[in-house]
Amino acid sequence: QQPVQSPQAVILREGEDAVINCSSSKALYSVHWYRQKHGEAPVFLMILLKGGEQKGHDKISASFNEKKQQSSLYLTASQLSYSGTYFCGTEIPPGTYKYIFGTGTRLKVLA
Amino acid sequence: SQTIHQWPATLVQPVGSPLSLECTVEGTSNPNLYWYRQAAGRGLQLLFYSVGIGQISSEVPQNLSASRPQDRQFILSSKKLLLSDSGFYLCAWSVPRGLNTEAFFGQGTRLTVV
Repeated sequence: QQPVQSPQAVILREGEDAVINCSSSKALYSVHWYRQKHGEAPVFLMILLKGGEQKGHDKISASFNEKKQQSSLYLTASQLSYSGTYFCGTEIPPGTYKYIFGTGTRLKVLA
Repeated sequence: SQTIHQWPATLVQPVGSPLSLECTVEGTSNPNLYWYRQAAGRGLQLLFYSVGIGQISSEVPQNLSASRPQDRQFILSSKKLLLSDSGFYLCAWSVPRGLNTEAFFGQGTRLTVV
């Protein structure tokens, strides 16, 4: 039931781009993205509510494909500060307030 | 503004000892409340969630329990800790407004069972 993220881990050089995917076997009605720095709590990045919706701020954006039951997070021109573990989060089943997270993707940006 | 307090930040407990972790939310009413556990280098495992006072849904019962004695207070307990209970425990809250239920986290408690 837990959404599966890919890749599990990725290493980038500063300025490179990355895509993180989140796929669910259950229907998704909203997807949220978080970043967790080592030893800290996850921090909310953005929410996607409608199928096909794309949102973004700074150089981080995301898309949501309801039909494919997946969401993707795009990090462009990565910075050192982007390092951390990224999680997608969602309510499964919708309307139950049971909030679970994807398997996580560890991202490391090197200078 | 809303804030969430979770304590203690770190805890070292012997095997077989009891556990009580507390979480309180300020600045909102009737929040959804959650307890997650994160083993070292792993993902976020949902342990319990609550949509109201006295209402607890358990995902991974094992030897842990949760209680919500007040609207904005969520407590995680154990009568006897196991080595496998070690991990990073995170309390989170969300506002019940349909599908916009993103979660906001406390600072976490790093529990080491020895």
